[in-house]
Amino acid sequence: EVVLTQSPATLSVSPGERATLSCRASQSISSNLAWYQQKPGQAPRLLIYGASTRATGIPARFSGSGSGTEFTLTISSLQSEDFAVYYCHQCDNWPCTFGPGTKVDIK
Amino acid sequence: EVQLVESGGGLVQPGGSLRLSCAASGFTFSSYWMSWVRQAPGKGLEWVAHMKQDGSEKYYVDSVKGRFTISRDNAKNSLYLQMVSLRAEDTAVYYCARGGTRRSSPIDYWGQGALVTVSS
Repeated sequence: EVVLTQSPATLSVSPGERATLSCRASQSISSNLAWYQQKPGQAPRLLIYGASTRATGIPARFSGSGSGTEFTLTISSLQSEDFAVYYCHQCDNWPCTFGPGTKVDIK
Repeated sequence: EVQLVESGGGLVQPGGSLRLSCAASGFTFSSYWMSWVRQAPGKGLEWVAHMKQDGSEKYYVDSVKGRFTISRDNAKNSLYLQMVSLRAEDTAVYYCARGGTRRSSPIDYWGQGALVTVSS
């Protein structure tokens, strides 16, 4: 099983600042990594797939990078609606797995 | 517009059974892998089961193997999850989710979820 580790667990950021979230895979998953945003009481929303491709309708302030075992999600200038939990996810190897999440909250 | 609507959640006693349904619309259901993902209260996401377009391949996370069965009816644009021998640790919101055309494709759409509570 591919274990995904996310850091930090919590990230406190002021609106307008940059946020950098990390996801590390226990073995290489090429570029088969996705990022999701989840707000309380809502289903997750796909942000990034293929490590760096923004999903439909996702603002340009969200960007993804990385390959192999190291991946990064960057939010260039945090807006109020971006405070949420972010999960990385792989389905390159079965079982598909999710990281434990990074909570981005207001500083 | 892609829509996934779950139904069938509720309260069940340990050892009991429940069947979740997911009605899909707004896309060609038979062209996509479909999945169930769950989230225990206050916890992260866990992939439960995954099914190929024609039903010829099914995958389960170890913790539900032998107890849960994923199925689909492409004529009815519906996905199902039959759950038996339920345990307290199966308590979660269960999401119906659309994968892609390949097994490794990520989920791109999620339903709003159905709450399953296993308790006496």
